[in-house]
Amino acid sequence: DTGVSQDPRHKITKRGQNVTFRCDPISEHNRLYWYRQTLGQGPEFLTYFQNEAQLEKSRLLSDRFSAERPKGSFSTLEIQRTEQGDSAMYLCASSLVGAGETQYFGPGTRLLVL
Amino acid sequence: RKEVEQDPGPFNVPEGATVAFNCTYSNSASQSFFWYRQDCRKEPKLLMSVYSSGNEDGRFTAQLNRASQYISLLIRDSKLSDSATYLCVVNVYTGNQFYFGTGTSLTVIP
Repeated sequence: DTGVSQDPRHKITKRGQNVTFRCDPISEHNRLYWYRQTLGQGPEFLTYFQNEAQLEKSRLLSDRFSAERPKGSFSTLEIQRTEQGDSAMYLCASSLVGAGETQYFGPGTRLLVL
Repeated sequence: RKEVEQDPGPFNVPEGATVAFNCTYSNSASQSFFWYRQDCRKEPKLLMSVYSSGNEDGRFTAQLNRASQYISLLIRDSKLSDSATYLCVVNVYTGNQFYFGTGTSLTVIP
């Protein structure tokens, strides 16, 4: 399977704990995006990278959220001091610059904060 | 005001019916437009891009009206397998930010 992969698929954690999610994009894609989706809503843009550069991060939800893409390949999204309101699906997508900006999504990581 | 607004539905239609969804966007600087389909508890998948001249892919037709800032999706001859949530997506090149609507739920009934 050469699509976008995310790990883990499910995460249950206690309030106050830190969590980290990983995304592996389609191999030739140079852009990578993180979204959050809650029930009944569309995906909400959080941040994106072009290669290893984080070009937009103003919409990260708070300073507890951070993302990295150190070598321009896989990316991680970390949430520190989780809160119950962080419970959601976290989606990653990738695209190729110049290819119509079509994004391909991974299966998501479903987070439950107790 | 939300960047992208969609009627959440639900739309319940019989097999074979034609159904249309509209979506409005607020930022006139929006440059590219898409319809995605999302099945329950699955990731969104691209259905089609929306071009200024309108485009068609089989039973699906998408149109863009820049003057009125809306896009539409028409599904003809609905199939049971069309049941899903349809997400309207707008890309604003400044900051390369993508805005999703809340989605419109479609159920095709036998």
